Amino acid sequence: DIQMTQSPSSLSASVGDRVTITCRASQDIDIWLAWYQQKPEKAPKSLIYGASTLQSGVPSRFSGSGSGTDFTLTISSLQPEDFATYYCQPYNTYPFTFGPGTKVDVK
Amino acid sequence: EVQLVESGGGLVKPGGSLRLSCAASGFTFSSYSMTWVRQAPGKGLEWVSSIRGDSSYIYSADSVKGRFSISRDNAKNLLHLQMNSLRAEDTAVYYCARGWSSISWYIEYWGQGTPVTVSS
Repeated sequence: DIQMTQSPSSLSASVGDRVTITCRASQDIDIWLAWYQQKPEKAPKSLIYGASTLQSGVPSRFSGSGSGTDFTLTISSLQPEDFATYYCQPYNTYPFTFGPGTKVDVK
Repeated sequence: EVQLVESGGGLVKPGGSLRLSCAASGFTFSSYSMTWVRQAPGKGLEWVSSIRGDSSYIYSADSVKGRFSISRDNAKNLLHLQMNSLRAEDTAVYYCARGWSSISWYIEYWGQGTPVTVSS
């Protein structure tokens, strides 16, 4: 089965910082990777699909890149509303296991 | 506006059963895949089960295979998760989610979740 890892597991950052989160798949998943954001006690929100395509309504400070096994989520200038946990997920390769998550909190 | 409203959660004893439902509105239900995702207290997201728009393909996580069953009623715009032989480790908030298309498993929309507690 495919295994997903994320790094770091958590990071502390300030408003305005550039933040980069990495997701790695144990096998080639082409570009079929999604990113989700979740705030405490809230349902997740979809951010990116196809590794780099922004979901409608997602601010352009979010971007995704990568293909194959290595992927990156970047927030170009962190905003107060971006403090949350971020998950990656392959969605074309069974099982559709989420990564363990990366928590972004206030420095 | 896409709306997904889960129901059926609650407290159940180990070994018991529960049936979750998700009422969908704001889109043509049969044209989209649907998924259940759960989150145990303080833990990350766990994919549970997915079903295509026409029910032609169903996938489930190993952790629930043989115990949980996903189904849908396209005439009533309802998604279900039948959960049998429940264990303490099934305690979680269960989210209903809509795919990007009938055959894509990418989750585009999420419901607000319904809590399930398995405890004696």
